[in-house]
Amino acid sequence: DIQMTQSPSSLSASVGDRVIISCRASQDISNDLDWYQQKPGTAPKRLISAASSLQSGVPLRFSGSGSGTKFTLTISSLQPEDFATYYCLQHNTFPNTFGQGTKLEI
Amino acid sequence: QVHLVESGGGLVKPGGSLRLSCAASGFSFSDYYMTWIRQGPGKGLEWVAHISTTGRVTYYADSVKGRFTVSRDNARNSLHLQMDSLRADDTAVYYCARVRGGDWGQGTMVTVSS
Repeated sequence: DIQMTQSPSSLSASVGDRVIISCRASQDISNDLDWYQQKPGTAPKRLISAASSLQSGVPLRFSGSGSGTKFTLTISSLQPEDFATYYCLQHNTFPNTFGQGTKLEI
Repeated sequence: QVHLVESGGGLVKPGGSLRLSCAASGFSFSDYYMTWIRQGPGKGLEWVAHISTTGRVTYYADSVKGRFTVSRDNARNSLHLQMDSLRADDTAVYYCARVRGGDWGQGTMVTVSS
């Protein structure tokens, strides 16, 4: 199975900060990686598909990059509504696997 | 727009069974593979099962293999998860998802407890 190592597991930041979250795959997954944001009590919301494609309606401060085994999610200037938990998901190979999550806190 | 609505969750005793359903609308259901994903209390997301467009190909997480069965009814735009031999660590919110479109339902809670 492909392991997705996500870091950091938690992060304290302030409004206006630039934040980078990383996911590393244990083997090449091309660009078959999505990024999700989840707020308490709600279903995850996809932010980025295919490693770098911003979903419609998602603010431009979110961006994704990478391919192969190394991927990053960048939030250029944190806003209050961005405090949430973020997950990466690889869907290159079955079983699909999620990163462990990054909890972004004030 | 895409709508996925799960149902069938509830409280069940260890060793018991439960059948979850997901009603899909807003897209051509038979054109998409579908996925079940779960999240235990206070835990991260766990991919559970996949089913191909026709239903002929399925994949499962090791943690549920042999106990859970995913199926679909393309005529009724519905997805199902038959869960047998349930254990306490199966307690979670279960989501159905159209991974390719990034669409998820709101989830249904399954609690396995005596």
